[in-house]
Amino acid sequence: AQTVTQSQPEMSVQEAETVTLSCTYDTSENNYYLFWYKQPPSRQMILVIRQEAYKQQNATENRFSVNFQKAAKSFSLKISDSQLGDTAMYFCAFMNLSQGAQKLVFGQGTRLTINP
Amino acid sequence: EAQVTQNPRYLITVTGKKLTVTCSQNMNHEYMSWYRQDPGLGLRQIYYSMNVEVTDKGDVPEGYKVSRKEKRNFPLILESPSPNQTSLYFCASSLRGLSSYNSPLHFGNGTRLTVT
Repeated sequence: AQTVTQSQPEMSVQEAETVTLSCTYDTSENNYYLFWYKQPPSRQMILVIRQEAYKQQNATENRFSVNFQKAAKSFSLKISDSQLGDTAMYFCAFMNLSQGAQKLVFGQGTRLTINP
Repeated sequence: EAQVTQNPRYLITVTGKKLTVTCSQNMNHEYMSWYRQDPGLGLRQIYYSMNVEVTDKGDVPEGYKVSRKEKRNFPLILESPSPNQTSLYFCASSLRGLSSYNSPLHFGNGTRLTVT
């Protein structure tokens, strides 16, 4: 079974700083997707970024980028020029494409606070 | 407005009293899913549905039932709720399933359930 681990329960940085959230996963599969979701205090889950395992290039979405290390099974999220609105819970998630099952496995989450 | 609507937002009930949490999406999505979110455990998938009359178990299906009689609705049923089902529940949908490229997961706003 796949597992996703976020080792940082909480993080806090000053506005405009860069912050990196870590995520590791365990799988024997080769074909999968990885995601980062954001959950602000409103509780809505919002997709931040997605990475296909077959792609070597790291995904980027505006101020959000990932460092995908497939051999190390690591998928960290970097937030540049952090803003107060980035304050949220962040979840890393894994989806195995090989089995055809439509399951997302989530990590435990990292609570990120951006301080003014 | 395209959205996933869950009701109720908050629910307090007693052990053994059957309840239903409704989920409806207005985007003609084929895929729908239920998750529960617990501190330190992240989100765990309960059930999912690839289309009308097609449902499958997630990682924590025990104590829950679902049905998909119509494309837009995917209710979560707790026949005999117990205190260990106290949690935050999320419904989500996507156009064609998680493996499709342009098919992000849209989440509802969550239902906070307390079983005493």
